[in-house]
Amino acid sequence: DQQVKQNSPSLSVQEGRISILNCDYTNSMFDYFLWYKKYPAEGPTFLISISSIKDKNEDGRFTVFLNKSAKHLSLHIVPSQPGDSAVYFCAASRGNYGQNFVFGPGTRLSVLP
Amino acid sequence: NAGVTQTPKFRVLKTGQSMTLLCAQDMNHEYMYWYRQDPGMGLRLIHYSVGEGTTAKGEVPDGYNVSRLKKQNFLLGLESAAPSQTSVYFCASSLPPEQYFGPGTRLTVT
Repeated sequence: DQQVKQNSPSLSVQEGRISILNCDYTNSMFDYFLWYKKYPAEGPTFLISISSIKDKNEDGRFTVFLNKSAKHLSLHIVPSQPGDSAVYFCAASRGNYGQNFVFGPGTRLSVLP
Repeated sequence: NAGVTQTPKFRVLKTGQSMTLLCAQDMNHEYMYWYRQDPGMGLRLIHYSVGEGTTAKGEVPDGYNVSRLKKQNFLLGLESAAPSQTSVYFCASSLPPEQYFGPGTRLTVT
């Protein structure tokens, strides 16, 4: 039973528009969340994180929203660029130590020129 | 500053053969991890280490062993490879919490 779900395996967006990637979790004990981006033949790279004491965190074009009551988080990319085309993984943890992270299966984002 | 490196990048094994995957980091991180990634699934933690000389089991440890004799290196061993171990293996290190990943090793067991 997957504790972290990314129900959209893929998403296509036009360049310049907003990309919204969604992630749902089932364990109410999770209190730290991260997004990673992965290009083909490379390892994942850290993008942005949020702890459960916040409901929003922003870093440049990337914003993560957390809705604890719905056990849902989303990553917004505005504006989307072709270089954003990658697989995005959501991860959740109880505490912010790496051994507890549970990763979702990923969403492949394609930004079309 | 190379970050996290993994050796080898690709490997094909026959069932029953053994091999060791090497992970090295130059960021002086205490924590290191080994994950596997299979199609349609997220990364799953195999083993991890919170410091030199320590190791612990993750979510899917069966069939693997690890060693952390030096702070900068984390080795993953397969003693008797099975086709179910065909996967892409990622090593990571962290302070924590953000993890820094290596480029991966694609392992095929026939």
